[in-house]
Amino acid sequence: NAGVMQNPRHLVRRRGQEARLRCSPMKGHSHVYWYRQLPEEGLKFMVYLQKENIIDESGMPKERFSAEFPKEGPSILRIQQVVRGDSAAYFCASSPIRDRIGTEAFFGQGTRLTVV
Amino acid sequence: KQEVTQIPAALSVPEGENLVLNCSFTDSAIYNLQWFRQDPGKGLTSLLLIQSSQREQTSGRLNASLDKSSGRSTLYIAASQPGDSATYLCAVRQGPGNTPLVFGKGTRLSVIA
Repeated sequence: NAGVMQNPRHLVRRRGQEARLRCSPMKGHSHVYWYRQLPEEGLKFMVYLQKENIIDESGMPKERFSAEFPKEGPSILRIQQVVRGDSAAYFCASSPIRDRIGTEAFFGQGTRLTVV
Repeated sequence: KQEVTQIPAALSVPEGENLVLNCSFTDSAIYNLQWFRQDPGKGLTSLLLIQSSQREQTSGRLNASLDKSSGRSTLYIAASQPGDSATYLCAVRQGPGNTPLVFGKGTRLSVIA
């Protein structure tokens, strides 16, 4: 059972370009989360998705950032018109179907975005 | 708003030493707490998950305790090895099911051979 798969592992974009980050959850997991880790900072929650639904996007910047998790295929985090401040490691996590107690989260290797 | 603090920010110890990493959180109403390990340039590896009803969890040389009422958790590493060198992250889940995690900034551990 493969773990959470993220690609690409490293991504370089020029200012103003678009960045697309992909995440395939673990088999059997239907919940996906995106977190951002800025240099010397902890991981900050961005968005929580289920298939075809955004559950919580309270951590997403209001502009330029969007996320989706289609019925088929990976979850996509899209950053339009990137700026230097978007340079960070972006991590995806997945969890199994919701239950009453807290579930364990499994993380991917991350995508390291560098904006030049 | 939940805040998670990890002390110390960095720690260097000689091989073989037992050590304790600390995590505190401001809102004691958590559902679980998870300790992760992050190697430089890599992803997060889950080490231990403690549910709010539990006091501790053990895995090999690792033991994590939880004192929910005081808002504290510790990660105890016995007989440290150079391979334990990494950043250790503490994260709490504020609500039931799949509520997102709130992370501390981590403790960067170096074990010197």
